[in-house]
Amino acid sequence: ILNVEQSPQSLHVQEGDSTNFTCSFPSSNFYALHWYRWETAKSPEALFVMTLNGDEKKKGRISATLNTKEGYSYLYIKGSQPEDSATYLCASEDAGKSTFGDGTTLTVKP
Amino acid sequence: GAVVSQHPSWVICKSGTSVKIECRSLDFQATTMFWYRQFPKQSLMLMATSNEGSKATYEQGVEKDKFLINHASLTLSTLTVTSAHPEDSSFYICSAFGSEYEQYFGPGTRLTVT
Repeated sequence: ILNVEQSPQSLHVQEGDSTNFTCSFPSSNFYALHWYRWETAKSPEALFVMTLNGDEKKKGRISATLNTKEGYSYLYIKGSQPEDSATYLCASEDAGKSTFGDGTTLTVKP
Repeated sequence: GAVVSQHPSWVICKSGTSVKIECRSLDFQATTMFWYRQFPKQSLMLMATSNEGSKATYEQGVEKDKFLINHASLTLSTLTVTSAHPEDSSFYICSAFGSEYEQYFGPGTRLTVT
């Protein structure tokens, strides 16, 4: 994998559903993996930064895992709420530079 | 948390003119700031790394004479789009690291060149 790839591109779920998305990144020269939440007209908000293989981070209903050997990270949202609607970006950091995926746009319907 | 501001938030200019975008770290010092550009439905693309007191480092394919970057203080970096053309219309966003791992983004600047 040469680029950072996120899937799915967009996701529509009902309030209360749990969901997850994937970020794939080059496993060579890995330094850190970042997840951001980006609401329209606002700055991207940092959710997690993970550096070690097997890392798991949690913030409220949102959690993330990291596999640096195979080059992927999962972001999970438990019991989605309308306020979770946003674009979730991941970025792989290597040598001080971050390469971003295209994002997964989540829409949570009440 | 740390805050990064950008000014202006949107700008419309005529083809051939130059536009300056400011990026400020409001409550921390940033020796390094990053400038990104995002075209519709595409990823954020790193354009350049702005270094306080020295020349910026540009990514491959980014014209340094067209996108002038100045990082004159520990809290301010500016990006000047010179002789702007409609294809320069894009969303420009800056960021800075508040600590070793925490990267903070500005709200972005929407540039439209007519």
